[in-house]
Amino acid sequence: AQSVTQLDSQVPVFEEAPVELRCNYSSSVSVYLFWYVQYPNQGLQLLLKYLSGSTLVKGINGFEAEFNKSQTSFHLRKPSVHISDTAEYFCAVSERGSQGNLIFGKGTKLSVKP
Amino acid sequence: NAGVTQTPKFRILKIGQSMTLQCAQDMNHNYMYWYRQDPGMGLKLIYYSVGAGITDKGEVPNGYNVSRSTTEDFPLRLELAAPSQTSVYFCASSDRGQTRNTEAFFGQGTRLTVV
Repeated sequence: AQSVTQLDSQVPVFEEAPVELRCNYSSSVSVYLFWYVQYPNQGLQLLLKYLSGSTLVKGINGFEAEFNKSQTSFHLRKPSVHISDTAEYFCAVSERGSQGNLIFGKGTKLSVKP
Repeated sequence: NAGVTQTPKFRILKIGQSMTLQCAQDMNHNYMYWYRQDPGMGLKLIYYSVGAGITDKGEVPNGYNVSRSTTEDFPLRLELAAPSQTSVYFCASSDRGQTRNTEAFFGQGTRLTVV
């Protein structure tokens, strides 16, 4: 069965500092990988996705993530965060050949302090 | 561009009451999903549909029912509300069946409290 582990439930960071949000997954088949962001009292918005090809994926708002198949990881990074990046971030996987159902991690709350 | 629209945004139910959470999408997506989000638990799939007239259970279907009579609408029904159903509910859609693009678009959520 698939599972997604987000290793940090909360990440506090100062403005303009770099940040990495960690995500590991477990699956017996090939997967698609996603990062979603949820601002307070909002729905989920796609940040970036890995379907195939280059393992370094760039998304919106300056975020990027790298797919590492051998380590089954898909960590999210941003070189310099802003106050407006304060939100909850979810890593998710979908099995290739499935009905597109997403398996989510428990989320990481990013708190950017001035 | 409305995308995925959920109504209502908030609702308080008494134990044993029933209600329907509405979800509509205007992107002509075949695939639609219902998730619930509980604090610290991420999102769990309740039900999904791969097209009009076809629905299937997800990870946590107990206490819920769905129907899909049109491509646009995918309502979620709670028949006998219980406190364990207090949660935030998200509807999502994707066009995976048409273009194999697996991105899911989410509604703004319905915050349900059962007292």
